[in-house]
Amino acid sequence: GAVVSQHPSWVICKSGTSVKIECRSLDFQATTMFWYRQFPKQSLMLMATSNEGSKATYEQGVEKDKFLINHASLTLSTLTVTSAHPEDSSFYICSARDGGNTIYFGEGSWLTVV
Amino acid sequence: QKEVEQDPGPLSVPEGAIVSLNCTYSNSAFQYFMWYRQYSRKGPELLMYTYSSGNKEDGRFTAQVDKSSKYISLFIRDSQPSDSATYLCAMSLNTGGFKTIFGAGTRLFVKA
Repeated sequence: GAVVSQHPSWVICKSGTSVKIECRSLDFQATTMFWYRQFPKQSLMLMATSNEGSKATYEQGVEKDKFLINHASLTLSTLTVTSAHPEDSSFYICSARDGGNTIYFGEGSWLTVV
Repeated sequence: QKEVEQDPGPLSVPEGAIVSLNCTYSNSAFQYFMWYRQYSRKGPELLMYTYSSGNKEDGRFTAQVDKSSKYISLFIRDSQPSDSATYLCAMSLNTGGFKTIFGAGTRLFVKA
């Protein structure tokens, strides 16, 4: 099946700093990518929908100035958590839609803010 | 009311049992239905995908969609301990950038 690569898998950063997470579709072009957040033992919470070459669409309650999303090419979307705080510690997952209607997920990135 | 309802479990079954996982939904506009499996600390893995009512089989897995009842199911035959994971149902509209709504996920434990 299609592969979506997410990097880094684990990241620890200091409070107040920014951290960038990359999401790449390795063997297909993804016009649409999605970013999710997942707390332990809870389901995926959609943060934003990212379309190549345009601004991301954020879900209600998600601060777009804090969670910067860039979808610069058909194979890469990035999520930057700005001025991270301990409450931002979570599991962040991206997904990408292929040319059809199938969505594939990355392996996720664990963010710990200390 | 949530758009997608899924019992979080946990569901515990003996090895070899048939497992039935279910979701209900409220938006009749959903057109695409998916089941994902998520192991602890990993991203979800697509198991089954369908867009029509009826059954779709893939090995030990069968996905069932009943659009008239707004009800979908995933059946796992001859369950194995390696099937122990969280199973997420998901459904999408064919509009609005193909936004996908997920169920809460059902935690499944298959005991050897």
